Amino acid sequence: SQTIHQWPATLVQPVGSPLSLECTVEGTSNPNLYWYRQAAGRGLQLLFYSVGIGQISSEVPQNLSASRPQDRQFILSSKKLLLSDSGFYLCAWSQRQGVGQPQHFGDGTRLSIL
Amino acid sequence: RKEVEQDPGPFNVPEGATVAFNCTYSNSASQSFFWYRQDCRKEPKLLMSVYSSGNEDGRFTAQLNRASQYISLLIRDSKLSDSATYLCVVNTPYSGAGSYQLTFGKGTKLSVIP
Repeated sequence: SQTIHQWPATLVQPVGSPLSLECTVEGTSNPNLYWYRQAAGRGLQLLFYSVGIGQISSEVPQNLSASRPQDRQFILSSKKLLLSDSGFYLCAWSQRQGVGQPQHFGDGTRLSIL
Repeated sequence: RKEVEQDPGPFNVPEGATVAFNCTYSNSASQSFFWYRQDCRKEPKLLMSVYSSGNEDGRFTAQLNRASQYISLLIRDSKLSDSATYLCVVNTPYSGAGSYQLTFGKGTKLSVIP
């Protein structure tokens, strides 16, 4: 069966510090991968998605970036965090084939910027 | 018009009650529909897919009305453990290139009261 791992679970960072969140998927090949952010009391906002190694699409302008160095690894980064970057970050995967496959989420990282 | 709209609630219902959630979507080209459940401070989890003919999974029934662009979720015999936020999710065409992305509603909060 497929599993998705995301870490760390919680993170407290000062403004201006760098960020690196990692996500890996097991039990499947060539998945679509996604990064979402959920601000407190708000809906899911798609940040990035990837259909393959090195292929990253960005949904919103921001100071975050994403990379996919391996088929089942997806990394979310920032060089300098802002207060507005606080939130609940979720990695997700879906099967590539077929229209509108459901997405399956990791446990999430709760990021607090001080 | 928002792509996916839900009544935010909260819905406060007694144990054993039947509760229904509604959702509307704006893009008539959408093809796949889902309900997710999100517990407080946790990741969303797929509850069920929604099929044109309607589908049932135990106490949960999902229905789709393509003509009205409307999706519903019915929960019968509510349990305390059903307390969560229920997210309506629709796949929508993206970038006009034959690809689709999932769009999440902001969710409807349900509290089942003893």
